[in-house]
Amino acid sequence: QVQLQQWGAGLLKPSETLSLTCAVYGGSFSGYYWSWIRQHPGKGLEWIGYIYYSGSTYYNPSLKSRVTISVDTSKNQFSLKLSSVTAADTAVYYCARDEDGYNTFFLWGQGTLVTVSS
Amino acid sequence: QSALTQPPSASGSPGQSVTISCTGTSSDVGGYNSVSWYQQHPGKAPKLMIYEVSKRPSGVPDRFSGSKSGNTASLTVSGLQAEDEADYYCSSYAGNKGVFGGGTKLTVL
Repeated sequence: QVQLQQWGAGLLKPSETLSLTCAVYGGSFSGYYWSWIRQHPGKGLEWIGYIYYSGSTYYNPSLKSRVTISVDTSKNQFSLKLSSVTAADTAVYYCARDEDGYNTFFLWGQGTLVTVSS
Repeated sequence: QSALTQPPSASGSPGQSVTISCTGTSSDVGGYNSVSWYQQHPGKAPKLMIYEVSKRPSGVPDRFSGSKSGNTASLTVSGLQAEDEADYYCSSYAGNKGVFGGGTKLTVL
């Protein structure tokens, strides 16, 4: 059974860089779009961006200047970096598998709460 | 403010049907058949319930159905059960990016 397992620092100070990694266990890494989505406390979901297994990336225009998504196919992992964080970046961050690049997420990670506070 | 508009709440009694709407534009919902719906229970990750407007993933009960007309997509839950009480989010492809609705809290009375 395919699973996504994510990890990363849960408490950051303003201006630091958020860094999360998601590992794919029990399934293929190829052919999918590996995505990051976040959810502000008590709010809805926000698409951050995705990376195709070959390395092509697409980002939410509202975050594009601060976001980098990368992939390590040798480890079946992909990562999110969000620079210059502020309190507005406090959210639960999810990794997810997009089947076809059309925003269809069949598989989700468990989520990581990232809090930005001085 | 979310790109797609959903009612903040919906409710129904056990056994009844409820429909949740999701309104976008011709650049997202109306322009692509890539609308999906997610169910989220408190403290849990979202779960895909409907994709490509009306398709159900394996394991999702056929009580859940989806449709689309113009720029508005809909999720219908028939034969409401207690475990259907959750937040529901719609999502759409919008041309090399994804957009979500603000979510609808479904209460089973």
